[in-house]
Amino acid sequence: QVTLRESGPALVKPTQTLTLTCTFSGFSLRTSGVCVSWIRQPPGKALEWLARIDWDNDKYYITSLKSRLTISEDTSKDQVVLTMTNMDPADTATYYCARAKLGGNSGTFDYWGQGTLVTVSS
Amino acid sequence: AIQMTQSPSSLSASVGDRVTITCRASQGLGNDLDWYQQKPGKAPKLLIYAASSLQSGVPSRFSGSGSGTNFTLTISSLQPEDFATYYCLQNYNYPLTFGGGTKVEIK
Repeated sequence: QVTLRESGPALVKPTQTLTLTCTFSGFSLRTSGVCVSWIRQPPGKALEWLARIDWDNDKYYITSLKSRLTISEDTSKDQVVLTMTNMDPADTATYYCARAKLGGNSGTFDYWGQGTLVTVSS
Repeated sequence: AIQMTQSPSSLSASVGDRVTITCRASQGLGNDLDWYQQKPGKAPKLLIYAASSLQSGVPSRFSGSGSGTNFTLTISSLQPEDFATYYCLQNYNYPLTFGGGTKVEIK
């Protein structure tokens, strides 16, 4: 059974660095073809894809936030970590991690975490 | 980045209605487009991938069509559990981009 769960602080101050962890089970990021992405959704707004990491450690980022984002993996713990620097109130959102559908397009997400709401406020 | 224009942004419909949502891309995607359903407070759920393939477990009243720049999600007979927000997602190239969403409300 595939599961993903996001964890991290619910509240961060402007200019701080956010670190979110996606802990997953039911698959391994060491398996060929496995990809995990981070996606966010500001309150009442649309979804926005942020970053992706692959089984071979290839990484992809949204262009507009590339300088602020880092995605990494801890395969020993079955975790994917997203860090975002210089947080701003506009980064207030629910952050999701999602796994790409195996054998398909790396941008098709068949399993999602429940999401974690991050509020940026002083 | 590829821009995805989804329409309408909202619609009101009755149970049993046929509902159509469209997504237009700023450049050709082939068939690299997916559709998701999202209910309040929940993560999105994959409905359709590769423009027209029904995800396992999704009712057959959902269907997708289109290629290139124009895509459609159709719900053949709207059910009470279908009231939600729907998003298209292009995965033709990176960065991936979502449409703005279509909220389907009860008439």
